[in-house]
Order: sequence, then C-alpha cells, then structure tokens
Amino acid sequence: DAGVIQSPRHEVTEMGQEVTLRCKPISGHDYLFWYRQTMMRGLELLIYFNNNVPIDDSGMPEDRFSAKMPNASFSTLKIQPSEPRDSAVYFCASNTGPSSYEQYFGPGTRLTVT
Amino acid sequence: QKEVEQNSGPLSVPEGAIASLNCTYSDRGSQSFFWYRQYSGKSPELIMFIYSNGDKEDGRFTAQLNKASQYVSLLIRDSQPSDSATYLCAVERNNDMRFGAGTRLTVKP
Repeated sequence: DAGVIQSPRHEVTEMGQEVTLRCKPISGHDYLFWYRQTMMRGLELLIYFNNNVPIDDSGMPEDRFSAKMPNASFSTLKIQPSEPRDSAVYFCASNTGPSSYEQYFGPGTRLTVT
Repeated sequence: QKEVEQNSGPLSVPEGAIASLNCTYSDRGSQSFFWYRQYSGKSPELIMFIYSNGDKEDGRFTAQLNKASQYVSLLIRDSQPSDSATYLCAVERNNDMRFGAGTRLTVKP
C-alpha cells in the first residue's frame, strides 16, 4: 500500500484566501484523523472520522475550519478565510480503530499564509 | 496543566549511552500510551506502545508505564546518531490521541 497520501505537500496563500487540503487514507482503514503541528502548540488533533462520519471535532479551532469525508478514500480540510496564524503543518492519519492503535501518518501539508 | 507533558529538551547524549525520555499525563482514564519518533521535516512514526503497567522491550527500546503516577518513559539503549530526532509521547482514550510537545534528542558521535 502507498500509505496515507496528502496533497498538496506545500501551500502558500495570501490571507483571506480559501485553502483546501486533501487526504487519502490507507485502504481498509476506518478511522481518519486530521492534526495540526506548530512549534508553539505541538501536534493537535483537529477532528477525526469513523466510517466517513465525524466523531469528534472539538479540536477544530473555529468556524473557519471545516472537514468532510465524502467517501472512505477521501477527506478534505478547508480553511476559509485563511489567516497567517493558520500557518502550520497539517497531517492526516488513519488506522483501523481501537483494536489497532497505531496511527499511520501522511507526509503532511506545509501551509504558509502570508 | 497540559494533558501530556514532556521535557522539551534538547537532550544530548553520547553515542552508545542510554537516553531516557519522560512523559506525564493528566487523564487517569487514558488507555494506551505511545512513543512516536519524528525526524525534522518528516511525519511521526510509531516506535513503541504500551497498555499495561510495567516495562515493554523491543530491541534497543524499552517503554515503562506507571499508571498510578501517570508517568510513561522511553529508554533507548546504545544510542546511535540515527536516533537523533524529536520523540513525541501520546496518550489515547477512546481513539482520541493527545500528543506531548516532544523532546528533541541529539546523539553525538
């Protein structure tokens, strides 16, 4: 398997623009997680899905952030409008659930908002 | 109080020495405990996980868990320069994973 795939790997945008990050989990993994990593706050869980349904979005910082999982092989994280403080590395991870605890991380998307 | 606390380091050890990384957590209901390694510019990768009190060994790595003290540690024996990375402690409850800020380890040749 190719592992978790994320795109784009790098994104530079101007403040106020819409940003969409994409993730393809490992085939057969029922859980998908979105994380954000910054020097100041470390690695933070934003939201996670089970069987395409959002289970816990308490980590989503504000209404500017939204996430969807229209099918088992695709998820998006959207920021609209983007702000400089959203600059971070965004990771997607997947696993098969509580019986298989390891989360497999994608390579991340480095977002810079100017 | 942070949910998962780690000494940010940097921790520097000579090659061949034992590196000791520590982590404390606040949620007594935590079920599983993980150590991830993250090289600069890369994504986290799992090194060890532990569920029960005591020690768990895997090669040069030993994870130690003390739930009463809410403490988990990672020992790296015979440290190698390739072990130089940031080590993230993670605590899981009902598939909700919380990470510490990480400890940066440098192993000097």
